[in-house]
Amino acid sequence: TQLLEQSPQFLSIQEGENLTVYCNSSSVFSSLQWYRQEPGEGPVLLVTVVTGGEVKKLKRLTFQFGDARKDSSLHITAAQPGDTGLYLCAAGGGADGLTFGKGTHLIIQP
Amino acid sequence: DVKVTQSSRYLVKRTGEKVFLECVQDMDHENMFWYRQDPGLGLRLIYFSYDVKMKEKGDIPEGYSVSREKKERFSLILESASTNQTSMYLCASSFEGANGYTFGSGTRLTVV
Repeated sequence: TQLLEQSPQFLSIQEGENLTVYCNSSSVFSSLQWYRQEPGEGPVLLVTVVTGGEVKKLKRLTFQFGDARKDSSLHITAAQPGDTGLYLCAAGGGADGLTFGKGTHLIIQP
Repeated sequence: DVKVTQSSRYLVKRTGEKVFLECVQDMDHENMFWYRQDPGLGLRLIYFSYDVKMKEKGDIPEGYSVSREKKERFSLILESASTNQTSMYLCASSFEGANGYTFGSGTRLTVV
């Protein structure tokens, strides 16, 4: 089982600010995913990254996969209250089950 | 709109009861999964299945069993519910070989 460390655990910022959250491991990933989970709901897949050094953008969200495929980051530009949620990274997958990090709780204050 | 449907959003059961959590997906996915989510512990894999009538233990299978009689349905069974099984239970599915999972909305189970 791959251990995924996410940081920070909690983050509260004002609307309009930028932020970055991280996902790290000592293991090499074949791929990594980011999910967002809102209270009382299941996680929703945001992106999958598979190539070392890969950068993917989803509107104001930028996801980067480390060159060595051991770490990833999520950067949000001009955060909005609708970005509030639990951000989870996950690795593994296929038929064997994903391993999740414990997540970053993000609160964007108006 | 494709989705994973969990039969109950909230359940309250008594210690010792047998509890069934049902999950149905309409995407013809081969793989299905049950996770539980607890504060400070994150999501932990209980059981998964990659085909009808097939099941594999995840990281925390003790106290649970599963059933997959049809491709679209994956049931989680708590044989004798205990208070330490109070949790949010999440079902997910995926295509064979795919990394991205589709999750249901979860069932918040309270065992009293």
